[in-house]
Amino acid sequence: DGGITQSPKYLFRKEGQNVTLSCEQNLNHDAMYWYRQDPGQGLRLIYYSQIVNDFQKGDIAEGYSVSREKKESFPLTVTSAQKNPTAFYLCATTEGRHTGELFFGEGSRLTVL
Amino acid sequence: GNSVTQMEGPVTLSEEAFLTINCTYTATGYPSLFWYVQYPGEGLQLLLKATKADDKGSNKGFEATYRKETTSFHLEKGSVQVSDSAVYFCALSPYRNSGNTPLVFGKGTRLSVIA
Repeated sequence: DGGITQSPKYLFRKEGQNVTLSCEQNLNHDAMYWYRQDPGQGLRLIYYSQIVNDFQKGDIAEGYSVSREKKESFPLTVTSAQKNPTAFYLCATTEGRHTGELFFGEGSRLTVL
Repeated sequence: GNSVTQMEGPVTLSEEAFLTINCTYTATGYPSLFWYVQYPGEGLQLLLKATKADDKGSNKGFEATYRKETTSFHLEKGSVQVSDSAVYFCALSPYRNSGNTPLVFGKGTRLSVIA
């Protein structure tokens, strides 16, 4: 089945630890995105990548890092510099360069204790 | 800049009631407009879209018409069901005039339908 797989679905970490969230897609889509969702704030863009080995900061990139070494994969690391990391993280893809229709994974819920 | 404003929730309706969720936008050029839906614990999925003025998007009984004169894309459904309970997001893609700008989302409107 074609789709986007995010893992893990739930993650608990202690404060000060780095965490990496996985996003894998087999849709052969060029562009990939990471969003953060908090109650009442909608979706906020963290990072996006339009092509392998290239990525751009979104609106709230501070405290996060990404890599795009393969077309299929766009992992997000939540570093200890992120002041309030507890949130629901969504990965998405689109076929071309921001052609509009986003396809989303099921999300990863990170809780920092 | 590009932005989307949608009505604040939560919206609570009885089954079979009429639904309207307002969405207005600010954009340069001719954006495409979208409604996404998020069911509890899941990612978002596309509900409907419209790519030019006066287009009507429709799916699963939901409709929205792209109104350039009022810069609006209001979501409507004639008779809601309990299974429609979800968070609804309005979004725009300015890609026709700016191929480097990602989708812009509204803050979402939570809908609860009670039997």
